[in-house]
Amino acid sequence: DVKVTQSSRYLVKRTGEKVFLECVQDMDHENMFWYRQDPGLGLRLIYFSYDVKMKEKGDIPEGYSVSREKKERFSLILESASTNQTSMYLCASSYNAENTGELFFGEGSRLTVL
Amino acid sequence: GQNIDQPTEMTATEGAIVQINCTYQTSGFNGLFWYQQHAGEAPTFLSYNVLDGLEEKGRFSSFLSRSKGYSYLLLKELQMKDSASYLCAVIDSNYQLIWGAGTKLIIKP
Repeated sequence: DVKVTQSSRYLVKRTGEKVFLECVQDMDHENMFWYRQDPGLGLRLIYFSYDVKMKEKGDIPEGYSVSREKKERFSLILESASTNQTSMYLCASSYNAENTGELFFGEGSRLTVL
Repeated sequence: GQNIDQPTEMTATEGAIVQINCTYQTSGFNGLFWYQQHAGEAPTFLSYNVLDGLEEKGRFSSFLSRSKGYSYLLLKELQMKDSASYLCAVIDSNYQLIWGAGTKLIIKP
């Protein structure tokens, strides 16, 4: 059974803390993505990666960074968390660089920043 | 700008049929997805349309009209487990995915 696993389902952090969200996929996919999902808004792309050590900014990269040291792992980093980063974070992977293939999502990490 | 419109919420009765519409204005078009997302869970793939017409997959069908910038997801013989959000997403000319805000479908007995 194919799987995308996110390290934490629920996190509570304080303003200014550094936050790591980890994502691992077992499908040998080239492409990995980080989205945030907020009520009333569509999924918004933060960063994506088409290969190891490669990253591209999405629509809302400000306040975030990413790391892809291994093919199966894509990490999202909030250097200094702020309350407006309270959200659901979804990791996804796909085999197709043109986005015409199915995206496989993790179960999400719900982050609350106090 | 690029825009995907879906109704925010719909209600239907168990056993009935419901149609969830999606209209889009994007810079180019390279395909349209529908995903299902149960509360607190990951979105899961339902369908992909790139040519005009109807694609049927069991109780679910998805229709596309590229000239009208329009798609719908048709759910037949509704079951309580179909209560979920349904997300429409379009691939634009740069092969970027543009997502709608989703339609929350409530099924009543």
